[in-house]
Amino acid sequence: QKEVEQNSGPLSVPEGAIASLNCTYSDRGSQSFFWYRQYSGKSPELIMSIYSNGDKEDGRFTAQLNKASQYVSLLIRDSQPSDSATYLCAADFGNEKLTFGTGTRLTIIP
Amino acid sequence: GAVVSQHPSRVICKSGTSVKIECRSLDFQATTMFWYRQFPKQSLMLMATSNEGSKATYEQGVEKDKFLINHASLTLSTLTVTSAHPEDSSFYICSASRGQGGTEAFFGQGTRLTVV
Repeated sequence: QKEVEQNSGPLSVPEGAIASLNCTYSDRGSQSFFWYRQYSGKSPELIMSIYSNGDKEDGRFTAQLNKASQYVSLLIRDSQPSDSATYLCAADFGNEKLTFGTGTRLTIIP
Repeated sequence: GAVVSQHPSRVICKSGTSVKIECRSLDFQATTMFWYRQFPKQSLMLMATSNEGSKATYEQGVEKDKFLINHASLTLSTLTVTSAHPEDSSFYICSASRGQGGTEAFFGQGTRLTVV
């Protein structure tokens, strides 16, 4: 069964520090990976997509993909209280639909 | 760009009635739309995938006669929860994909359904 796994947390990070979120996936053939942010009671919001090995930066967010080790991570620099949310990792296993992890709850401590 | 609008955002209905939820892609044509259900503190559970002009593909365990999906155009998909029961109370979320070989999906605002 194709799966995406995340540590459910909660993960607490001081304001201004770097938050590191990790995700592993089961299918070595996966090509597309996504990070979504979900605030309580709201729907997910796409933050980053990554398709190639290495790093991809967008503002305070950096996604890292290592296909050999089958993991994808999200770094949030200069963490702000507004970053407190659940972060969902998702992968496309080639069946044209996304498989989501269970999400990591992140709390930024002022 | 890539805005998906879902309506209504909240609905309360009586047991036994039906509820329709609309999902619209406002600024792009969505070749595929997805319907999810999310229970409190749990992740998204894919219910079905719909493509314009064809029957929806339902995930295992999802009753197609209870959750009717219609994808009438490239910008509109609807989910109808028929004969709703309290256990159908959940957060229903649609997403839409632009296709073009990728699965980057954009979510609607979600619909909080409460069946009393």
